[in-house]
Amino acid sequence: NAGVTQTPKFRVLKTGQSMTLLCAQDMNHEYMYWYRQDPGMGLRLIHYSVGEGTTAKGEVPDGYNVSRLKKQNFLLGLESAAPSQTSVYFCASSPGMGNQPQHFGDGTRLSIL
Amino acid sequence: AQSVTQLDSQVPVFEEAPVELRCNYSSSVSVYLFWYVQYPNQGLQLLLKYLSGSTLVKGINGFEAEFNKSQTSFHLRKPSVHISDTAEYFCAVSDLGANAGKSTFGDGTTLTVKP
Repeated sequence: NAGVTQTPKFRVLKTGQSMTLLCAQDMNHEYMYWYRQDPGMGLRLIHYSVGEGTTAKGEVPDGYNVSRLKKQNFLLGLESAAPSQTSVYFCASSPGMGNQPQHFGDGTRLSIL
Repeated sequence: AQSVTQLDSQVPVFEEAPVELRCNYSSSVSVYLFWYVQYPNQGLQLLLKYLSGSTLVKGINGFEAEFNKSQTSFHLRKPSVHISDTAEYFCAVSDLGANAGKSTFGDGTTLTVKP
């Protein structure tokens, strides 16, 4: 049972380059989330989706875009990468009700030079 | 609005000693509470959750937590830690209100177990 799978696991970009992070879940969850994790700052929500075809802004959405064309996939895009976006990115999914925990992928470590 | 405060950013402890990781929350509605663990280079995994009922909840790996509504706390405890418990621990809160499905996470507590 794969759960939540993130692709790629590592990436190094130059400032100004673009890229897309892919998240796939096989649990038929309605909600999906993208977080970034920086030292001493915990998890900060970038964008989330409450179902196929929907997206919403989280706490730190600037510089990122997302799409949820299929229920099982949630894509995070960086159009013009900046050094401040160097971070570890986590995708998560949940059934969507408050009493259900989130299921996390193993993260994507992204460095912007 | 919800918020979570983990009172200790780092907790060093010797192997086989007891440990408590402290978490306070605030919310205007009834909440659900979670503790997650993150091992190095991995994502977060659920340790335990409080939904309702008994205020003492037991989780995996011998951890337990106690929900205290009057003190708005959800502290995590283990009576005897192992080296393998070294990890980062996150407290999280969610509710069934307008933010249902979204959790608010604390900043994390790094537990380091020394031999």
